[in-house]
Amino acid sequence: AQKVTQAQTEISVVEKEDVTLDCVYETRDTTYYLFWYKQPPSGELVFLIRRNSFDEQNEISGRYSWNFQKSTSSFNFTITASQVVDSAVYFCALSERYSSASKIIFGSGTRLSIRP
Amino acid sequence: EAQVTQNPRYLITVTGKKLTVTCSQNMNHEYMSWYRQDPGLGLRQIYYSMNVEVTDKGDVPEGYKVSRKEKRNFPLILESPSPNQTSLYFCASSLSRPDRDSPLHFGNGTRLTVT
Repeated sequence: AQKVTQAQTEISVVEKEDVTLDCVYETRDTTYYLFWYKQPPSGELVFLIRRNSFDEQNEISGRYSWNFQKSTSSFNFTITASQVVDSAVYFCALSERYSSASKIIFGSGTRLSIRP
Repeated sequence: EAQVTQNPRYLITVTGKKLTVTCSQNMNHEYMSWYRQDPGLGLRQIYYSMNVEVTDKGDVPEGYKVSRKEKRNFPLILESPSPNQTSLYFCASSLSRPDRDSPLHFGNGTRLTVT
């Protein structure tokens, strides 16, 4: 069965610090997709990135980077030089390629607070 | 502008009074879905729809109904709301099935309180 674990419920750091949000997943399929979504205080959910299970290359987008490691079933998200605007709840999610249920499973989220 | 529109944004109702939360998307997406968000539980899927007239249960379907008569609309119906359905609800859509690498586009959410 699918499962996504975000063990860090809340993280608080001072602005300009680097911070890593952990995501560990479980799946029996060999083909699957991983996602990160951001939910700022205003409440909407914003798509950040997707990664398929065949692409283990790390990705960098500005201050954001993602580290996908199949060996440890992890898809961690790092923010470099954090800013107050990064304060949000971040969700990791998993969907399976051949799942008959055709759905995405979300982790419970990590609330990130960046202090000025 | 491409978007998913949910209405209302806020709703306070009483136990047993039927209500409908509307969801509409203008992106010609095939897949639509409803989620509820509760503290410590993340987002849990209520129902989803792969296309017109095709709907299926998610993880927490009890107490909810949906319909997909048109591609753009996917209303969530609570026939007899109860206090345990107090939650933040999100509608989402994607071009195709999520397991085909389509990210979800979310509405702005509906905060429902059932007293």
